[in-house]
Amino acid sequence: EVQLVDSGGGLVQPAGSLRLSCAGSGFVMNSDYMNWVRQAPGKGLQWVAQMYSGQTYYADAVKGRFTISRDDSKNTLYLQMNSLRPEDTAVYYCAKSRWGSGDAFDVWGQGTMVTVSS
Amino acid sequence: SYVVTQPPSVSVAPGQTASITCGGNNIGRKVAHWYQQKPGQAPVLVVFNDNDRPSGIPERFSGSNSGNTATLTISGVEAGDEADYYCQVWDSDSEHYVFGTGTTVTVL
Repeated sequence: EVQLVDSGGGLVQPAGSLRLSCAGSGFVMNSDYMNWVRQAPGKGLQWVAQMYSGQTYYADAVKGRFTISRDDSKNTLYLQMNSLRPEDTAVYYCAKSRWGSGDAFDVWGQGTMVTVSS
Repeated sequence: SYVVTQPPSVSVAPGQTASITCGGNNIGRKVAHWYQQKPGQAPVLVVFNDNDRPSGIPERFSGSNSGNTATLTISGVEAGDEADYYCQVWDSDSEHYVFGTGTTVTVL
């Protein structure tokens, strides 16, 4: 069974940093497009970043502050979040694309909560 | 940046048909995907590539996409279909995914 498990969330002060992890099982992550999506409390879904091979894409709201990366030996996806702002407070989900760029997200992690507050 | 809008809410009686729209400039030229999200849970893909269903999704869920509107249709609505629904497209100009604003479906 293909599965994603998100972790690493928590409470962090504004301007602080946090690294989220997404452990994959049942598939080889470096063969797929992988994504991060977030959802602020009571709000809708917002795409954050995508990675495939060496290519990365970022939403304008996080570009220059967040970095998506992958450790193939651990089959794990990461999201390094720096210069965090209160508006980054959200549940963060990792998600696997079905096939390629522009395709739907067919498997999601359970999400991990990030709270940015002093 | 590309903007996609959905009605905030749709109400439907059990057994009837719910239609959820997703509006965007020439969205028919893009490929639309749809997700169902229940409270406290991760989203679940219910329709991809405008009108295809993943395995395990009932035939009651169908989609279409033309002109400036993509539509998710739920036929024979059941109480378990009560959830938030989001459309999603890939904007090739910005190389960004865009989600719709979300629609809450209430089963009366």
